[in-house]
Amino acid sequence: RVMTQFPANLSVSPGDTATLSCRASLSIATNLAWYQQKPGQSPRLLLYGASVRVTGVPARFSGSGSGTEFTLTIRSLQPEDFAVYYCQQYNNWPRTFGQGTKVEI
Amino acid sequence: EVQLLESGGGLVQPGESLRLSCAASGFSFVSYGMTWVRQAPGKGLDWVSSISEGGGSIHYADSVKGRFTISRDNSKNTVYLEMSSLRADDTATYYCANVGHAFDVWGQGTVVTVSS
Repeated sequence: RVMTQFPANLSVSPGDTATLSCRASLSIATNLAWYQQKPGQSPRLLLYGASVRVTGVPARFSGSGSGTEFTLTIRSLQPEDFAVYYCQQYNNWPRTFGQGTKVEI
Repeated sequence: EVQLLESGGGLVQPGESLRLSCAASGFSFVSYGMTWVRQAPGKGLDWVSSISEGGGSIHYADSVKGRFTISRDNSKNTVYLEMSSLRADDTATYYCANVGHAFDVWGQGTVVTVSS
């Protein structure tokens, strides 16, 4: 399954809403996760099952979609949200990641 | 607190071997699959290999199949990645993660550099 994320770069202002997209080459049902990676840090799981937030992840992060089209929405962007976001499918082997979307100021 | 601590990275020449370790604590290691993911400098995430809770199910990326071997020792709460015939394009930070809902918790990574 090839995972395609777009846009590659997203320039937004604090307080704005960011919408990140992820497309699978074939259906993956809702077996999709989103990760956040800040510079110099390890990735952090944000959501799984396409829309289920991990405990402790702020409610401003939300996910939607199923099949081949998925969206991560970040509302009211905070300074700490500027990072790279990756989607990943775990429906099939090999597990595959999108190439990432960099959310920048 | 769930913790994963990778070790074993370093500088090696092309064709050489290296063994990475990932020591786990803070959760029931025997109840979780484990995975290795790598990230080349300035690049995205690249899944490498996964192993099931008991070690009976193993999967590899095509790019490492036949060269890398994943294993685990549940008595030591440790997962390993044995890497052989290393190539320059294996240069990356290697992360281990536990497999719960997805790749739930990640270690801090260990850097592998393959260069002559």
